[in-house]
Amino acid sequence: GESVGLHLPTLSVQEGDNSIINCAYSNSASDYFIWYKQESGKGPQFIIDIRSNMDKRQGQRVTVLLNKTVKHLSLQIAATQPGDSAVYFCAEAGQRTSYDKVIFGPGTSLSVIP
Amino acid sequence: GAGVSQSPRYKVAKRGQDVALRCDPISGHVSLFWYQQALGQGPEFLTYFQNEAQLDKSGLPSDRFFAERPEGSVSTLKIQRTQQEDSAVYLCASSLTGTLNFGEGSWLTVV
Repeated sequence: GESVGLHLPTLSVQEGDNSIINCAYSNSASDYFIWYKQESGKGPQFIIDIRSNMDKRQGQRVTVLLNKTVKHLSLQIAATQPGDSAVYFCAEAGQRTSYDKVIFGPGTSLSVIP
Repeated sequence: GAGVSQSPRYKVAKRGQDVALRCDPISGHVSLFWYQQALGQGPEFLTYFQNEAQLDKSGLPSDRFFAERPEGSVSTLKIQRTQQEDSAVYLCASSLTGTLNFGEGSWLTVV
């Protein structure tokens, strides 16, 4: 079946550096992509999303890039802080409605070195 | 409440026992989702409700898994005759506009 997956299962970065987390997806019909952050013992928390008609979207300290040609999604975190340490999941859905299931990738663990 | 609430937070069940996991979504949220998350894995879709209607249950792993949302608000995920492979975190999420709001999950350990 179609799935969303990650290139790197773990990532360690120095505090203050920028982080880049990558994700490959296989469903070319997906219209909506989301990044979630999950801290230990908690549920996933929405970070940022992007529609397939965009290639870049910025939030506070985070940027999501979408390359539909190679079916690649990335999350950039600027000036990484210890509080950014968590597991990050990319996810995809057919469309951004409240009635569409979201399919998650396997996750990347980000560890910030003080 | 302010967020999605799940109970119990932790449950240890003996193999063969039945368990029931409860989800209180954010008030007014039409959509409710259940996900299963094994250790070190991403959440896997189980089932989806729109109000009280269960519109998609394609992710339920077996007929031992049953979910309901009789009044379109609180939902219960029931697992009958639990097996060790059912050990996981069960996440509930609700949505109004498309963004999923997750609870903290119910951690099930089957021994």
